[in-house]
Amino acid sequence: NAGVTQTPKFRILKIGQSMTLQCTQDMNHNYMYWYRQDPGMGLKLIYYSVGAGITDKGEVPNGYNVSRSTTEDFPLRLELAAPSQTSVYFCASSVGQGSSPLHFGNGTRLTVT
Amino acid sequence: GQNIDQPTEMTATEGAIVQINCTYQTSGFNGLFWYQQHAGEAPTFLSYNVLDGLEEKGRFSSFLSRSKGYSYLLLKELQMKDSASYLCAIDQTGANNLFFGTGTRLTVIP
Repeated sequence: NAGVTQTPKFRILKIGQSMTLQCTQDMNHNYMYWYRQDPGMGLKLIYYSVGAGITDKGEVPNGYNVSRSTTEDFPLRLELAAPSQTSVYFCASSVGQGSSPLHFGNGTRLTVT
Repeated sequence: GQNIDQPTEMTATEGAIVQINCTYQTSGFNGLFWYQQHAGEAPTFLSYNVLDGLEEKGRFSSFLSRSKGYSYLLLKELQMKDSASYLCAIDQTGANNLFFGTGTRLTVIP
């Protein structure tokens, strides 16, 4: 199993550009998450999904959108990139909520200039 | 609301024992996770405590006191590869996600 795979690993965007961060998992997990991690800050939840066709906002959803058309894929869309979105983005999945450990992808380092 | 406090940085010597503390405040608590994150890499799961007491997994142990809102991660026989950030995260009642602390960066020196 590859686990959780994220692409790209690195990306530089200009202000106002758009992009999609890809995330796919092969563990048949129902729950998927997008986090961002900034220096000196804890991981913050952007969006999550409890199954195909179901998504919901996390703690910091502004400026982002998601979709979940299949169990495997959970892309994150940035429509109008802003410098405040410079961060490391992690996709994660789990069997369930609560006590189920998160399995993280290797992250996408995004810089918006 | 919720809050987690962890030391920002710690340094320890190879072969020694180090204890990384985590105190938390939350209105509804289910359990507490510890994750390890090497620089530039993804967090990986270390432990999950839901009951009071110490749970041991090889060189790593994790302790929880629910009444005190306190946990620690104990690393024995430190190795250079243990240099990493250690993230404490709480699983809260009725929440859809974990609440993460800012992490403790551990440096192991020869």
